[in-house]
Amino acid sequence: GDSVTQMEGPVTLSEEAFLTINCTYTATGYPSLFWYVQYPGEGLQLLLKATKADDKGSNKGFEATYRKETTSFHLEKGSVQVSDSAVYFCALRNSGGSNYKLTFGKGTLLTVNP
Amino acid sequence: EAGVAQSPRYKIIEKRQSVAFWCNPISGHATLYWYQQILGQGPKLLIQFQNNGVVDDSQLPKDRFSAERLKGVDSTLKIQPAKLEDSAVYLCASRRVDGARQYFGPGTRLTVL
Repeated sequence: GDSVTQMEGPVTLSEEAFLTINCTYTATGYPSLFWYVQYPGEGLQLLLKATKADDKGSNKGFEATYRKETTSFHLEKGSVQVSDSAVYFCALRNSGGSNYKLTFGKGTLLTVNP
Repeated sequence: EAGVAQSPRYKIIEKRQSVAFWCNPISGHATLYWYQQILGQGPKLLIQFQNNGVVDDSQLPKDRFSAERLKGVDSTLKIQPAKLEDSAVYLCASRRVDGARQYFGPGTRLTVL
């Protein structure tokens, strides 16, 4: 079945540091890939997405590129801020069927210190 | 537009008690999902509705969990009786039938003692 493996956390960085959170996936077919963010006390928010190989999703300074050859979708940001502190989830949605079911990774807690 | 609403936000119960959660999706969203998010894990789909019909409930522990969406709008998820391992955040999400993006509510945090 489909699965997503994320880098274990927690990750602690200083403000303005470079961020990478690794994500790899296993899926049949051609899934769409997502990064969701969950700020403390809030629900999941879509951060960025990519729907086909070599697509780059970007939002709020975050980027991730859909790499089919390595089945990866690593999240990066060049300079993190304290306000980026949150839990980040990598997810996939398989192209098969019509229920648009999402499969999530375990999440990575990011803490950014001033 | 208003987002997905869930209540209560927090609930503490003892094992073997019953509990119910409520979700009101974004207006016009025909598809509704319930996810279970155990601490340290990603959300796991429990059940998906299209209008008032069940599309996928393969991961729902049907011996204790039930869900309904009688009028195809808001939905209730019930646990009866609760176990310690049911402690989790229960997330509701909705999407338009002709769209792919899911919109998530803030969740209900359940603690079973």
